[in-house]
Amino acid sequence: DTGVSQNPRHKITKRGQNVTFRCDPISEHNRLYWYRQTLGQGPEFLTYFQNEAQLEKSRLLSDRFSAERPKGSFSTLEIQRTEQGDSAMYLCASSLGTSGRHSTDTQYFGPGTRLTVL
Amino acid sequence: LAKTTQPISMDSYEGQEVNITCSHNNIATNDYITWYQQFPSQGPRFIIQGYKTKVTNEVASLFIPADRKSSTLSLPRVSLSDTAVYYCLVPYNNAGNMLTFGGGTRLMVKP
Repeated sequence: DTGVSQNPRHKITKRGQNVTFRCDPISEHNRLYWYRQTLGQGPEFLTYFQNEAQLEKSRLLSDRFSAERPKGSFSTLEIQRTEQGDSAMYLCASSLGTSGRHSTDTQYFGPGTRLTVL
Repeated sequence: LAKTTQPISMDSYEGQEVNITCSHNNIATNDYITWYQQFPSQGPRFIIQGYKTKVTNEVASLFIPADRKSSTLSLPRVSLSDTAVYYCLVPYNNAGNMLTFGGGTRLMVKP
């Protein structure tokens, strides 16, 4: 399977704990995105990487959130001191990233990691 | 900054054509409009993308009027498996690198 993969698929944690999610994009894709989706809502942009550089962050990405993409391949999203409001589906997407306007790229999404904070 | 507005839900029957319209009043002149489909507990899946007039692929058509303030996704002869949430996607910042999905339209196809 050469699609976008995410691990784990489900994570249950207690409030105050740290969690880390991993995303493996399609191998030749330069751009990698993270989104958050709560029940009944559309995905909300969190951040994106062009190769290893993190170029944009949403205001939703508080200082408890950090994302990395070492070597421009896989990416990790860490949430420190989790809160119940962090419970959501965290989606990763990747795209070729050949255009300056992201709307011309097709984003391919992974299955998501569902986080539940108790 | 562009913001999308779609109907919250729509019902249809198998075999009918379904049209879902999205308004995006402030889309930048060089941005495209993309539609995605999402099933429960899955990531969104690309359906179709366009800039102006009409685009057609094997699963859908996309109609974009000259003012580009809206777009209409057309699904011909829907089946039960088309029951899903449909999102139109446009950038919401001037740099065009942050994209908004909006609330989406929940399509229910009935037998």
